[in-house]
Amino acid sequence: AQTVTQSQPEMSVQEAETVTLSCTYDTSESDYYLFWYKQPPSRQMILVIRQEAYKQQNATENRFSVNFQKAAKSFSLKISDSQLGDAAMYFCAYRGYSGNTPLVFGKGTRLSVIA
Amino acid sequence: GAGVSQSPRYKVAKRGQDVALRCDPISGHVSLFWYQQALGQGPEFLTYFQNEAQLDKSGLPSDRFFAERPEGSVSTLKIQRTQQEDSAVYLCASSLLWQGKETQYFGPGTRLLVL
Repeated sequence: AQTVTQSQPEMSVQEAETVTLSCTYDTSESDYYLFWYKQPPSRQMILVIRQEAYKQQNATENRFSVNFQKAAKSFSLKISDSQLGDAAMYFCAYRGYSGNTPLVFGKGTRLSVIA
Repeated sequence: GAGVSQSPRYKVAKRGQDVALRCDPISGHVSLFWYQQALGQGPEFLTYFQNEAQLDKSGLPSDRFFAERPEGSVSTLKIQRTQQEDSAVYLCASSLLWQGKETQYFGPGTRLLVL
C-alpha cells in the first residue's frame, strides 16, 4: 500500500520569506500523481499544486512550486514571498495512475506565518 | 452548485445514536468520495462512488458505516450505533471524472462529536 509521510508537524515562516515543506512517499508504481492541498482553519481543503510523475519538470503555480525527486520519492513544496493568508494545514497527497484509486494523504504540516 | 456542500456542519450525538451526514457534490460531477479526518491527522479514504455505483467501500471501518448515492448526485453517509471513536470530521469530495490529474473538490466537512 502507498504511504505518504510529512515529517514536519509544524513550520513557521516570516512574512515575505520562503519556506519549504517536506513530503516523502512510498510506492511500487511508476506512474502516479502527487498533490499539495491547503486546509485553512475551519475552511475547505483546496488544491495548491499537482505533479504528474511522468513529467520531469517541476510544477509551479505563482508563488508555489515543487521539488519533485522521483528516484528519492520526495515531493517538497516551496512557498515564496509568504503571506499571512498562507497560514494553514498543508497536506501532501498521492494517487495511483488507475482510475478509481483514492487520494492517500500525509498527516499534514501546520504552517504559521509571522508578521 | 458553486461548490461541494455538506450538512450538518456540526453534529453532536450520544453514544449509540444513528447519524446521517449529507453531501451535495458539484453539479455534474460523476465521482464522489468520503473521507474521515481524525483530529490532527490527514483525511483517510472511506468510500467512492461513480454515479450511483459504489465502486469501493474498502475504507469503511465497520459495518456500522453505510453510504449511498441513489440518484448519482446527493450522497448520504450513515453511521449506526455511534461510538466515541467515530468522532472526526467527515469530508466529502467530488470530481468531474476521477482520472488522470483530475482534482478533487472538497466540501467544508461535518464535524461529528460522539459523547
